[in-house]
Amino acid sequence: NAGVTQTPKFRVLKTGQSMTLLCAQDMNHEYMYWYRQDPGMGLRLIHYSVGEGTTAKGEVPDGYNVSRLKKQNFLLGLESAAPSQTSVYFCASRDSSYGYTFGSGTRLTVV
Amino acid sequence: GQQVMQIPQYQHVQEGEDFTTYCNSSTTLSNIQWYKQRPGGHPVFLIQLVKSGEVKKQKRLTFQFGEAKKNSSLHITATQTTDVGTYFCADASTSGTYKYIFGTGTRLKVLA
Repeated sequence: NAGVTQTPKFRVLKTGQSMTLLCAQDMNHEYMYWYRQDPGMGLRLIHYSVGEGTTAKGEVPDGYNVSRLKKQNFLLGLESAAPSQTSVYFCASRDSSYGYTFGSGTRLTVV
Repeated sequence: GQQVMQIPQYQHVQEGEDFTTYCNSSTTLSNIQWYKQRPGGHPVFLIQLVKSGEVKKQKRLTFQFGEAKKNSSLHITATQTTDVGTYFCADASTSGTYKYIFGTGTRLKVLA
């Protein structure tokens, strides 16, 4: 039982490059989320999805896009990376009555 | 916007001492969840509290929801080095339970 799997685990980007972070869950959860975690800032919600084909903005959506074409996958895209997007990114999923299950995270550095 | 505040931000304790972290909100809390994140790891769900005055225990951990639902607390009795990490509370968003708003966390260090 893998839970939530994130790829890649580490990535270094140059300013202006693009990339996609992949998240897959095998628990048949309806809800999926992308958070970023910066020192002293806790977890901040970027985008989330309440079902296949739906997405919504969170607290800090600027500079990111998402897609949920399949229920088990939630993709986070950075179209033109900036140093301010250096962070640890966590994907999470949950059903309606329980807590989040988080992936192990992606450490992204933008230089 | 909705804010969830945690105090203290940091806490260093000697192994065997007790530890408490508090989760507060300027508005009434809805459903509170607690998470633990080990250094270098990811948050792990511990428990959910939904009722006013609710108290739940997990071994040495005691979770409490305030009577007025304005605060919640996590108390660890006789800390161990395995308790090291950051503890987060999260409250269901006032716009619905699709998402939770996380507090900034309390980082616990346990000195052996």
